[in-house]
Amino acid sequence: GENVEQHPSTLSVQEGDSAVIKCTYSDSASNYFPWYKQELGKRPQLIIDIRSNVGEKKDQRIAVTLNKTAKHFSLHITETQPEDSAVYFCAASESKTSYDKVIFGPGTSLSVIP
Amino acid sequence: DAEITQSPRHKITETGRQVTLACHQTWNHNNMFWYRQDLGHGLRLIHYSYGVQDTNKGEVSDGYSVSRSNTEDLPLTLESAASSQTSVYFCASSEWGDVLTFGAGSRLTVL
Repeated sequence: GENVEQHPSTLSVQEGDSAVIKCTYSDSASNYFPWYKQELGKRPQLIIDIRSNVGEKKDQRIAVTLNKTAKHFSLHITETQPEDSAVYFCAASESKTSYDKVIFGPGTSLSVIP
Repeated sequence: DAEITQSPRHKITETGRQVTLACHQTWNHNNMFWYRQDLGHGLRLIHYSYGVQDTNKGEVSDGYSVSRSNTEDLPLTLESAASSQTSVYFCASSEWGDVLTFGAGSRLTVL
């Protein structure tokens, strides 16, 4: 089955700096790679996702890159703000019609220092 | 508005007791999932369902069971609760290839 690894487990940055979180996956059949943000005491919520036919995707200060050959994908947050402080989870899924199982990495706790 | 609700939000039980966590969604999603969240392990998949009468084992299914008798509900049962099952449990639903929508979570403590 799919296995997703994530690094680092904790990350501390100064406000305004960039943050990068890296993930690897094991199953070459995976074709959908979402990122979820979980604030303290809250439920995880999707912040960005990428599919295997795309190498990079941006949404304002957030970008995700995917290298299918190396089975790597990364989350980049620019101009970090204190409200970016949260736990971030990468995930991988083989998504087909009526078939969809998302496996998560262990998470990265990001702290943005004002 | 459509939603996904979990109950109870907090539960304390004793070792060996049967516990059921409820999950109800009004999104009309076919796919439903149960995850447990533990520090250092992230979200681990327990069981999942792609539709009525369909259930599948996830990464950490031992000691848990689910049933899907309708589209809206996927209850998670711990047949004989163990201290190792103390965790926060999240239910989620989705349509295929789409965003997972999570419930608010159920915190279970097994003494």
